[in-house]
Amino acid sequence: SAVISQKPSRDICQRGTSLTIQCQVDSQVTMMFWYRQQPGQSLTLIATANQGSEATYESGFVIDKFPISRPNLTFSTLTVSNMSPEDSSIYLCSGWTDYGYTFGSGTRLTVV
Amino acid sequence: ILNVEQSPQSLHVQEGDSTNFTCSFPSSNFYALHWYRWETAKSPEALFVMTLNGDEKKKGRISATLNTKEGYSYLYIKGSQPEDSATYLCASSSSNDYKLSFGAGTTVTVRA
Repeated sequence: SAVISQKPSRDICQRGTSLTIQCQVDSQVTMMFWYRQQPGQSLTLIATANQGSEATYESGFVIDKFPISRPNLTFSTLTVSNMSPEDSSIYLCSGWTDYGYTFGSGTRLTVV
Repeated sequence: ILNVEQSPQSLHVQEGDSTNFTCSFPSSNFYALHWYRWETAKSPEALFVMTLNGDEKKKGRISATLNTKEGYSYLYIKGSQPEDSATYLCASSSSNDYKLSFGAGTTVTVRA
């Protein structure tokens, strides 16, 4: 199955700044997803990253706050913009192929 | 996005003991139920994918059952070992898309 390399693994950021998280897949994946897990909560889907077009966002998430790029079938980025302490979470990317789902190892973000 | 619940949130098990925990999910438009094992700073590891009512699957000392009519799944760990310590996630998908809805996880700590 596909392997996803996610970077950075963790970061501590100042409020008001932005962080871009990258996911590189070692093979082409049909669909890619971005999730957030706030402390004590479930993994929540932020958006589906579509190749060559705008991402599809779930209710409660907007492009201005979480811009996503997916230039090809093996790479995607999520930016957390204008961060506040409430954005402190684990961010996780996922890919789907005919063989099932595969995941990155997560980015643990702390906003101070 | 589906409402998926897991209980308990955490549990402590003595090495050698067996344990089990629950995942509940909406039974309408059900497509598949996934179990993952997630260790800190690692990618979630797929354990099982189940689709049929009455499914039972086994992987070593870990097994799972599925009841789609009442909307629940059990995960069992037999003869727990310290290496079983992890967070176990379940996720449900419906018949009309590839999105996963996750529970908040059950964190298992096995004491030697």
